[in-house]
Amino acid sequence: KAGVTQTPRYLIKTRGQQVTLSCSPISGHRSVSWYQQTPGQGLQFLFEYFSETQRNKGNFPGRFSGRQFSNSRSEMNVSTLELGDSALYLCASSGADTQYFGPGTRLTVL
Amino acid sequence: DQQVKQNSPSLSVQEGRISILNCDYTNSMFDYFLWYKKYPAEGPTFLISISSIKDKNEDGRFTVFLNKSAKHLSLHIVPSQPGDSAVYFCAASKGNFNKFYFGSGTKLNVKP
Repeated sequence: KAGVTQTPRYLIKTRGQQVTLSCSPISGHRSVSWYQQTPGQGLQFLFEYFSETQRNKGNFPGRFSGRQFSNSRSEMNVSTLELGDSALYLCASSGADTQYFGPGTRLTVL
Repeated sequence: DQQVKQNSPSLSVQEGRISILNCDYTNSMFDYFLWYKKYPAEGPTFLISISSIKDKNEDGRFTVFLNKSAKHLSLHIVPSQPGDSAVYFCAASKGNFNKFYFGSGTKLNVKP
């Protein structure tokens, strides 16, 4: 069974731009969660989608948004990028009792 | 506000000895806890979990202990191997397997 895949793996953007990241969950998983990882902060929960609906939300500004498609693939969008948005963005799909993470997208904002 | 804390950013252990990684949490509603291991350039990999109805869970060389009164959990790795060198994250949830609160991680270095 294929794992969670994320594209692209690396991305460089400049301040003010917007970015879209993609995540394909494990086949059969309907829940997709997004996390931001920065040095010293661990993983911060962004939001979770289930059956195309946002079901849980973390404490991030409205510049961070997401969506999920009928095939459970999910996208995350960040608008008006700031330098502090530079981070590793991880997506996870949920099984019965745990989350399985993708390799992440490393976003650098210059 | 960090609800899950890993106060040791790094730990160095000799191969063959025990590694003990600690994690504290503040929210007494947390009822499910996980440990993840993360290598550079990879996503976190699930290691072991424990529910709040237990105080210990063991899987091979890995054992997780939960002390609910102290709001503390720990991961024991015995014996430690060089391949265990990675960053370890603890995570907690409250009745929701789709939203976890993570600690900031502890970087374990197992010396040969």
